[in-house]
Amino acid sequence: DIVMTQSPDSLAVSLGERAAINCKSSQSLLYSSKNMNYLAWYQQKPGQPPKLLIYWASTRESGVPDRFSGSGSGTDFTLTISSLQAEDVAIYFCQQYYTNTYTFGQGTRLEIK
Amino acid sequence: QVQLVQSGAEVRKPGASVNVSCKASGYTFTSHYMHWVRQAPGQGLEWMGLINPSGGSTTYAQKFQGRVTMTRDTSTSTVYMELKGLRSEDTAVYYCARTDYGGNSGFDYWGQGSLITVSS
Repeated sequence: DIVMTQSPDSLAVSLGERAAINCKSSQSLLYSSKNMNYLAWYQQKPGQPPKLLIYWASTRESGVPDRFSGSGSGTDFTLTISSLQAEDVAIYFCQQYYTNTYTFGQGTRLEIK
Repeated sequence: QVQLVQSGAEVRKPGASVNVSCKASGYTFTSHYMHWVRQAPGQGLEWMGLINPSGGSTTYAQKFQGRVTMTRDTSTSTVYMELKGLRSEDTAVYYCARTDYGGNSGFDYWGQGSLITVSS
């Protein structure tokens, strides 16, 4: 199975500042014939199911604020929140769908400094 | 609007089985794969398997092979996940979640979750 490793495990950022979460996969998620990276990002708040933020590594899901962006290719990816808002406090997960044995990163807890 | 509504919380003894349901509405049931993902208390997300509601074919994570069975009822747009031989480490919130047909997308809609507690 593809192993997904996120860093850091937790992060504290001041309101209005930039937050960046990294995700590394044990093998490339780039499907070269389509030039697409099979990677998604989710946000999970307490007591709620995860919410899809980003798919194809950089495409925002409908309704997701544009302060959320995804970047990267191959094995290294980043979720960036350009200006942290109070409602962004959550745990963030990356996930690969390159193989049909889907795997998630361990999660990154984002808090307000 | 798309909705996935799951069955309620259950308590089971070790060795027992549990069956969790997920009723879909607001879209064409057979046009999207359905997956099951679980989350132990305070832990991360673990993919368990998927079912193609169109033909009923399944793919299970190796960890759950032999213990999990996923089925669907197209007449009620409902998928089911049965987990047998429960142990304490199976205590978790179980989610159903949808992808595109083929499974080549993120999970765009999730059920509300069903807490399964395994305790003697």
